[in-house]
Amino acid sequence: EAEVAQSPRYKITEKSQAVAFWCDPISGHATLYWYRQILGQGPELLVQFQDESVVDDSQLPKDRFSAERLKGVDSTLKIQPAELGDSAMYLCASSFSRGQTDTQYFGPGTRLTVL
Amino acid sequence: AQSVTQLGSHVSVSEGALVLLRCNYSSSVPPYLFWYVQYPNQGLQLLLKYTTGATLVKGINGFEAEFKKSETSFHLTKPSAHMSDAAEYFCAVAYGNNRLAFGKGNQVVVIP
Repeated sequence: EAEVAQSPRYKITEKSQAVAFWCDPISGHATLYWYRQILGQGPELLVQFQDESVVDDSQLPKDRFSAERLKGVDSTLKIQPAELGDSAMYLCASSFSRGQTDTQYFGPGTRLTVL
Repeated sequence: AQSVTQLGSHVSVSEGALVLLRCNYSSSVPPYLFWYVQYPNQGLQLLLKYTTGATLVKGINGFEAEFKKSETSFHLTKPSAHMSDAAEYFCAVAYGNNRLAFGKGNQVVVIP
């Protein structure tokens, strides 16, 4: 069964350093999402791509976060500089399209710890 | 704005007993509703979803949920809990361009 791949699974960094997370969605899925999940809470959407275009980044802290999906396939989420409050699980998901009934399939996530 | 409320962050249930997780939603349009399960240090896995049609939805692992528009609810149930059901469960509502608004989750503990 096709899965969403993410790497690394775990990342420890010091504040003010740069970090990057990678996501490879299920083949053929046009829509890709990045979520942040703080411990004990539900995921919150950071950015949504349709192919290579950003369609929603209203919750992305653009002063330090950036995301790209250059060829409309895999994607990278970057944080520079990292802050203590960025410690969280970063989840990538993909769906066939932006239809509201389309299931989002999630990857295993990257657990970020900022010291 | 669409939102989801899940009460009781931790739910303890005895093995073999009924699992009941409550979800209430707020939506200005007919909702599309989802339940996801998350095992430790893993991503979310879809249990079931309601889009249109039958209000009783059956999912994986013996779970089911019933959409009740009059109560704005989408409660998740399983008749008999198994040890493998210990996990965190999230209710979500879709809106806009397939954005999902998640509840805070229920951590289910199964007592042998």
